[in-house]
Order: sequence, then C-alpha cells, then structure tokens
Amino acid sequence: AQTVTQSQPEMSVQEAETVTLSCTYDTSESDYYLFWYKQPPSRQMILVIRQEAYKQQNATENRFSVNFQKAAKSFSLKISDSQLGDAAMYFCANKYGNKLVFGAGTILRVKS
Amino acid sequence: AAGVIQSPRHLIKEKRETATLKCYPIPRHDTVYWYQQGPGQDPQFLISFYEKMQSDKGSIPDRFSAQQFSDYHSELNMSSLELGDSALYFCASSLLDRGETQYFGPGTRLLVL
Repeated sequence: AQTVTQSQPEMSVQEAETVTLSCTYDTSESDYYLFWYKQPPSRQMILVIRQEAYKQQNATENRFSVNFQKAAKSFSLKISDSQLGDAAMYFCANKYGNKLVFGAGTILRVKS
Repeated sequence: AAGVIQSPRHLIKEKRETATLKCYPIPRHDTVYWYQQGPGQDPQFLISFYEKMQSDKGSIPDRFSAQQFSDYHSELNMSSLELGDSALYFCASSLLDRGETQYFGPGTRLLVL
C-alpha cells in the first residue's frame, strides 16, 4: 500500500529564516510523482511544488525547493526567506494511480 | 487563470437528507477527482472520472454516487446523510498528460445536523 509519512506535526520558523519540512513515502512504482500542497486557514489546497521521480534534479519554485532522495524515498520541502503568508498546513502527497495519497500534514507557524 | 469552481461553497443538511455537490473543472481539463477532508485530517480520495467514465474509486460510501457530464462538469450525490459525512469536499481537475498535476477547487463545506 502507498503511504506517505510526515513526522513533524508542527514546525515554527522566524520570519526571513529557512525551514525544512520532512516527508517520506513508500511506493513500489519506479516512475511516480510527488507534490507539496499548502492549505492556509481558508482551507484552499494550493499546489506548492511538484517532482517527477525520473528527474534527478530537485524541483524549485521561487523560495520553495525540494530535496528528493529517491533511494531513501524522502521528499523534503525547504522554504527560504519565510514570510508570514507561508503559515499554513503543508501536505506531502504521492500520486498513486489516479489518486493522491496524502501525509497527515505539518502545521507551519511563522513568527514575526 | 481560470480555476476549479465548486458549488455550493457551504451546505447545511439534516440527517437522512440528500445533497448534491457540483464541480466545474479548469477549461480543457479532462479528469475530475473528488476528495473528502474531515476535521483535522488529510484529504481522502473518493472517486475520479476521465472523459466521463469512472477511472478510479477510493473509499466512497455506497450512499454516494458521482458522474461526469458531457461538458466535463461533475456532480457528487450524497444520500441518507449521516453526521459523519460532515466534512470539506474538494474537487480537483487535471489534464491527462505526463504528470497530471491536480488543481483543487475551494471546496464545499458540508455540515450534517
């Protein structure tokens, strides 16, 4: 079964600092896709970044980047220059067939 | 850019009533997904449709049914509502290409009393 594990229920970061959110997953597929979604208090699910497993290069989107370790099945999200608007629940997800399998989420708090 | 539209945004129903949730995907997207997110939980996949045919099925109760219409919009029909059905229901859409990134709508908040 596909599982996604986020071992940090909650993280805090000072504004302008860098924070890394952890995610591990289990899959029997050789080619797959991984995602990070952000869910602010409005509860909208917002795509942050996507990684294709066949690509060795880590994905980057502005202040957001990932550290994808395929052999270790690890997919962490790094947020640089944290902003107050980054405060949200962050979900790691693995695409399995047609569906996304999500981790339990990490609440990120940003301190000013 | 156009996003996924869901209606209604909020819905209050009594137990044993019926509810219909609607989803309008991003233009040209051919695949629709439904997810249920309970309080304090991660979203759980319910069902998906590609080109109006069911493509995958998750933990969707038998009391629920869904379909995708010729204009690609989708409806989730929920009957005999139970208190435990109170949740946020997301629709997402994607284009069947390599990657199939799913873009989520704002969700419908269903409260069953």
